[in-house]
Amino acid sequence: DGGITQSPKYLFRKEGQNVTLSCEQNLNHDAMYWYRQDPGQGLRLIYYSQIVNDFQKGDIAEGYSVSREKKESFPLTVTSAQKNPTAFYLCASSLGVRSGNTIYFGEGSWLTVV
Amino acid sequence: GIQVEQSPPDLILQEGANSTLRCNFSDSVNNLQWFHQNPWGQLINLFYIPSGTKQNGRLSATTVATERYSLLYISSSQTTDSGVYFCAVADSGYALNFGKGTSLLVTP
Repeated sequence: DGGITQSPKYLFRKEGQNVTLSCEQNLNHDAMYWYRQDPGQGLRLIYYSQIVNDFQKGDIAEGYSVSREKKESFPLTVTSAQKNPTAFYLCASSLGVRSGNTIYFGEGSWLTVV
Repeated sequence: GIQVEQSPPDLILQEGANSTLRCNFSDSVNNLQWFHQNPWGQLINLFYIPSGTKQNGRLSATTVATERYSLLYISSSQTTDSGVYFCAVADSGYALNFGKGTSLLVTP
């Protein structure tokens, strides 16, 4: 099946530990995104990538890091510098970052830091 | 970035009722999309509609770009329509910026 796969679905980590969320797509999309969603809130952009080996910070990039070594993969690392990492994380992709391109989302990853 | 405001924040309907959700945005956009997030968190794209009107079954959307708003219409609502509806906008070359959503509950 074509789509976006995020893993793990649920993740618990101790405070101070780094954690990496996986995002893989087989839609042959150039652009990939990471959004964060807090309860009762909209989605806020963390990072996005328009092409392999290139990425840009979004509105809330502090405490996060990404890489884009392959077109299909865009992992997100939540570092210990992120002050409040507990949230729902959504990965998405589109043909490109320009008008007319529908964006598709993965099923999300719930991260709880204790 | 472009500000997005959605109203109402919460809505409760009885099955079969119609509803209108509104999205206001602060600047001109060339990308506007409506999404539905189901109770399990999955986001589904409903419409790409930077201007004009589109219909898909019981759902339709209208964007008046010159007045910077978009409307999502849900007719003959069903319990499966429950969830959160998001409007997201962008200017050329930028990633989508999301509103806070309208939480819809359709009761039997």
